[in-house]
Amino acid sequence: GAGVSQSPSNKVTEKGKDVELRCDPISGHTALYWYRQSLGQGLEFLIYFQGNSAPDKSGLPSDRFSAERTGGSVSTLTIQRTQQEDSAVYLCASSSGGNFNEQFFGPGTRLTVL
Amino acid sequence: AQSVTQPDIHITVSEGASLELRCNYSYGATPYLFWYVQSPGQGLQLLLKYFSGDTLVQGIKGFEAEFKRSQSSFNLRKPSVHWSDAAEYFCAVGEKLTFGTGTRLTIIP
Repeated sequence: GAGVSQSPSNKVTEKGKDVELRCDPISGHTALYWYRQSLGQGLEFLIYFQGNSAPDKSGLPSDRFSAERTGGSVSTLTIQRTQQEDSAVYLCASSSGGNFNEQFFGPGTRLTVL
Repeated sequence: AQSVTQPDIHITVSEGASLELRCNYSYGATPYLFWYVQSPGQGLQLLLKYFSGDTLVQGIKGFEAEFKRSQSSFNLRKPSVHWSDAAEYFCAVGEKLTFGTGTRLTIIP
């Protein structure tokens, strides 16, 4: 079956612009995670959605970052007023819910802020 | 706060040789531990996980890991590496995964 998909695969933007990154999780997966992978910071947790519960936003680095998950499926990560330090690969993962089930990762979106 | 340390940034081994990648963790309760592999241009793939029970866990691709509570370690092992094992390996802990900095594995013929 289809895995986690992310779009776009690459995004180049200018400093100060807003960007939206999309994640399509595996069908039926109730949990969805966003992570960021950068040279300076490694792999970092950003935000976690589980079913209809309020998202866990504890990893978001600033209020310029936000995410939503519509209909319990597709998720969009939005970065407002992008900065050069936002350049990274943004990874999405989904799991079938419950504690510590395997997270399946998408290929990521590489964001470059000029 | 939970954390993971992978002390080896880069390891080079000969094809057919044994491998051990080190991982030390800090976690406030019973740790939930994972090893992921990331090949060039590919996403993260789970190799194995430990939640409880037998401290030696078997994973995919011939990998295994041993949980040692007394040493706060969860080292990854493989008895004989293949050229296709060249990749970046990440140890992680918790539900909202906290990752180590990764170990890049190079295989020489």
